[in-house]
Amino acid sequence: SQELEQSPQSLIVQEGKNLTINCTSSKTLYGLYWYKQKYGEGLIFLMMLQKGGEEKSHEKITAKLDEKKQQSSLHITASQPSHAGIYLCGADERDSNYQLIWGAGTKLIIKP
Amino acid sequence: EAQVTQNPRYLITVTGKKLTVTCSQNMNHEYMSWYRQDPGLGLRQIYYSMNVEVTDKGDVPEGYKVSRKEKRNFPLILESPSPNQTSLYYCASSTNQEQFFGPGTRLTVL
Repeated sequence: SQELEQSPQSLIVQEGKNLTINCTSSKTLYGLYWYKQKYGEGLIFLMMLQKGGEEKSHEKITAKLDEKKQQSSLHITASQPSHAGIYLCGADERDSNYQLIWGAGTKLIIKP
Repeated sequence: EAQVTQNPRYLITVTGKKLTVTCSQNMNHEYMSWYRQDPGLGLRQIYYSMNVEVTDKGDVPEGYKVSRKEKRNFPLILESPSPNQTSLYYCASSTNQEQFFGPGTRLTVL
């Protein structure tokens, strides 16, 4: 089965700076999900990407899926303390209905 | 409000004492699943259910049971918990576009 590798594992960024988190697969991704987790809270859906080259934005967060559909990046512009948390990517395994696999997560800390 | 609820949110128990974590969704989703999250391992699926009375094993089903007697509820049962089941557990329900997660249950087994 395919695996998802997230990088970096953790990231400390000065408030106001931009950052990028990557999610890479060994195989073609059929659906790529980005979620955010804040300590003590549940998982919050950010975006889903399906098509090669697709890009979506929500407020200051932009996610892209490359043309080969094996890598996705999550970019945050002008980071704020509210962006702190753990970002998780999940992917749709086409041969298992609705069964997603997940990256290990990227812990983001925003320094004021 | 569309949501997935889990109870309890926090639980400390001892080895061997049976426990159930409840999960309920109000979105009429057919698909529900349970995950555990451990540091460095990310989310791993325990069990999932495609519909009422239809359940199947995920990646890490050992030591867990589930049931799906009605569409809205999908409880996770630990018949004889062990310390290696100490983890953060998430219940989710989904369409084919998005998964909705519960708030999580932090379980500690002593």
